[in-house]
Amino acid sequence: KAGVTQTPRYLIKTRGQQVTLSCSPISGHRSVSWYQQTPGQGLQFLFEYFSETQRNKGNFPGRFSGRQFSNSRSEMNVSTLELGDSALYLCASRTIDGAQYFGPGTRLLVL
Amino acid sequence: AQSVTQLDSHVSVSEGTPVLLRCNYSSSYSPSLFWYVQHPNKGLQLLLKYTSAATLVKGINGFEAEFKKSETSFHLTKPSAHMSDAAEYFCVVTFSGGYNKLIFGAGTRLAVHP
Repeated sequence: KAGVTQTPRYLIKTRGQQVTLSCSPISGHRSVSWYQQTPGQGLQFLFEYFSETQRNKGNFPGRFSGRQFSNSRSEMNVSTLELGDSALYLCASRTIDGAQYFGPGTRLLVL
Repeated sequence: AQSVTQLDSHVSVSEGTPVLLRCNYSSSYSPSLFWYVQHPNKGLQLLLKYTSAATLVKGINGFEAEFKKSETSFHLTKPSAHMSDAAEYFCVVTFSGGYNKLIFGAGTRLAVHP
């Protein structure tokens, strides 16, 4: 089975712009979660989607949003980018027993 | 509140010697526990998982971990370190009431010297 894929792998944006990141889960997985990884804050949970519904949300401002499509692919959007949004954004899809499998991540740099 | 504490931010071992990475958790609910590894500029790879079955869990690449409820610990061990084990390791907890939100420890960076 193919693993979790994320596109693009690298992005450079400027402050005030918006960005959309994409994640395709492992085939058959219906749950997709997003995480932000920074040197200062470590790994933090953003949100989780299951069957096109947001089931859980972390403590991030409303500029961070997401959605999931009927084929389980998910997108994450960040509007009005700030310098502090520079991070590695990881997507994970979940098996029935709770284990989450991560994609390679999208590295976002905000200038 | 649920939390995970990795007791060492850095661990350094010689190749061929045992590895011990320590993790303590706090959870009001029945936890599921995981160890993940992250090599430089890579995503996270699942090493092993505890989901209330056997308390001694074997994972990939010779790693194993033991769930000790009385000590609220889930330490990761490997009998003999290999150079390729050098990476950052994350202890992770989730709980039945938290849907699928993973709570990560701060990470332990493992260095392996020849």
